[in-house]
Amino acid sequence: KAGVTQTPRYLIKTRGQQVTLSCSPISGHRSVSWYQQTPGQGLQFLFEYFSETQRNKGNFPGRFSGRQFSNSRSEMNVSTLELGDSALYLCASSWVGGSNEQFFGPGTRLTVL
Amino acid sequence: QKEVEQDPGPLSVPEGAIVSLNCTYSNSAFQYFMWYRQYSRKGPELLMYTYSSGNKEDGRFTAQVDKSSKYISLFIRDSQPSDSATYLCAMNQGQGAQKLVFGQGTRLTINP
Repeated sequence: KAGVTQTPRYLIKTRGQQVTLSCSPISGHRSVSWYQQTPGQGLQFLFEYFSETQRNKGNFPGRFSGRQFSNSRSEMNVSTLELGDSALYLCASSWVGGSNEQFFGPGTRLTVL
Repeated sequence: QKEVEQDPGPLSVPEGAIVSLNCTYSNSAFQYFMWYRQYSRKGPELLMYTYSSGNKEDGRFTAQVDKSSKYISLFIRDSQPSDSATYLCAMNQGQGAQKLVFGQGTRLTINP
């Protein structure tokens, strides 16, 4: 069974630009969550999508947004990039309805210059 | 105060040693507890997943949950150099609340 895939793996952007990251969950998983990982703050929850609806949201500004498609694939967007947005962005998928286990992808490493 | 506290280490032990990693938490609503292993420049890999208080064993790994003390542990027996990684505890409330709250992670090195 294929794992969670994320594209692109690496991105370099400049301040003020916007970026879109993509995540394909494990087949059959309908929940997709996004996390930001930085050395200072660790892993922090951004938001979760289930059935194309945002179900949970973390404490991040509105510049961070996402969406989910009918095939459960998800994208997250960051607008007006700031230096502090440099981080590893991780996507996790889970099968909702029983086990709560979340499986992570390899992440997208974003560098903002 | 953070909801989940984890000693960031670093922790360095000789090969074959028993390793103990721990987390404490403050939110009594947490019901599901996980341990992830993360190698450098990789995504976290789910190692152990527990719901109730008590022990759960999987090969060389044992996860322990004490809800009354709000304390969870991961034990690694017969540690190997390939176990060198950052170990993250994580937990959530379940019931549709998918948000995982993570500890800071403990960097572990197993010396041959």
